[in-house]
Amino acid sequence: QQPVQSPQAVILREGEDAVINCSSSKALYSVHWYRQKHGEAPVFLMILLKGGEQKGHEKISASFNEKKQQSSLYLTASQLSYSGTYFCGTEVAISGAGSYQLTFGKGTKLSVIP
Amino acid sequence: SQTIHQWPATLVQPVGSPLSLECTVEGTSNPNLYWYRQAAGRGLQLLFYSVGIGQISSEVPQNLSASRPQDRQFILSSKKLLLSDSGFYLCAMTGVKTSTTNEKLFFGSGTQLSVL
Repeated sequence: QQPVQSPQAVILREGEDAVINCSSSKALYSVHWYRQKHGEAPVFLMILLKGGEQKGHEKISASFNEKKQQSSLYLTASQLSYSGTYFCGTEVAISGAGSYQLTFGKGTKLSVIP
Repeated sequence: SQTIHQWPATLVQPVGSPLSLECTVEGTSNPNLYWYRQAAGRGLQLLFYSVGIGQISSEVPQNLSASRPQDRQFILSSKKLLLSDSGFYLCAMTGVKTSTTNEKLFFGSGTQLSVL
């Protein structure tokens, strides 16, 4: 049930763009994105609740394709502060339980260099 | 504002020793509370979650246990640690109670546990 993130790691020069993908084998209720600096707690970036929804946070935005059961995180004109590991969390319904479960991917390590 | 206190920040324990990690939250009542573990290459793994005092759900079978003796207190324990218990443990909360997690998770600062 763990979503699959790609790529596992990416190195960018300042100002370059990147895309991080997150896909699930199950129908998704929502997708969460978090960023974690080394040795620190993950920090919330955004939640996407509807199919086709796009959200933005500074120069970081995301889309959610409910049909394809996937989400993508877009980092535009990357800054040194964007370095960290990005996690997507996908929420699926638990069959017969009337509740939902949030599961995180293994993360994508992003390194922005001068 | 919502705040999570988690301690200790680092812990080194021998195999077979007991464990107790504590998490307390402020700024909200009746939150959903979570324990996550982060091991190298495995991302964030949900261990336990609690929707109220004394209500604990376990996501993975293991030698760890959790308890919620008070509304804003969540404790992770083990009677005998294994080498495989090493990792970065994170307490998290959501402030709004719904059946879904359409509310962002606030994470504590984490405890780096090394079992030797």
